Amino acid sequence: GQQLNQSPQSMFIQEGEDVSMNCTSSSIFNTWLWYKQDPGEGPVLLIALYKAGELTSNGRLTAQFGITRKDSFLNISASIPSDVGIYFCAGQGAQKLVFGQGTRLTINP
Amino acid sequence: KAGVTQTPRYLIKTRGQQVTLSCSPISGHRSVSWYQQTPGQGLQFLFEYFSETQRNKGNFPGRFSGRQFSNSRSEMNVSTLELGDSALYLCASSSLSGGSNTEAFFGQGTRLTVV
Repeated sequence: GQQLNQSPQSMFIQEGEDVSMNCTSSSIFNTWLWYKQDPGEGPVLLIALYKAGELTSNGRLTAQFGITRKDSFLNISASIPSDVGIYFCAGQGAQKLVFGQGTRLTINP
Repeated sequence: KAGVTQTPRYLIKTRGQQVTLSCSPISGHRSVSWYQQTPGQGLQFLFEYFSETQRNKGNFPGRFSGRQFSNSRSEMNVSTLELGDSALYLCASSSLSGGSNTEAFFGQGTRLTVV
């Protein structure tokens, strides 16, 4: 099925480092969402973006909705151990979400 | 407000059997979507229900079906299970704004293992 191109696929960083990941699509979306998923659990919504160019923060997380409406990025500042997990971007269509492949974040203490 | 509730959390079934999974959305949310998550294919859309009607369907065989009740609770059914149906099945609920779904909130999922 249709998927977004999310990169990088995995990241290995030191605690305290900043993290950046992004998603691109060939299709336009009116809403971009970022989720975090822990093993064996469902994705948890981190940030929702509704307008092209919008920049939104949630604590140490910052995400932006690209001007073209075909891309988005997520930044995590000063990473901590509980940031470990898989991060997914998703484009919200009228009735369904289209997901990126996920970015697996591993943090070395 | 309670979140999205999926039952059961874990299931083990034998090839050829059928299975029914249940999802209770967030109170007030009338849209329920189902996704299959596997390591190889990622998160794949199965179908979406709104007001007891299926509005959208992904590219899955007819063995995968669903329904929604008047209280917005939803069930999905997989018949004639195959080994490849082993996956985490996720349910998401949304409300409606301007004709489109708002952001989706997920349940914890049902881990189905087919042996």
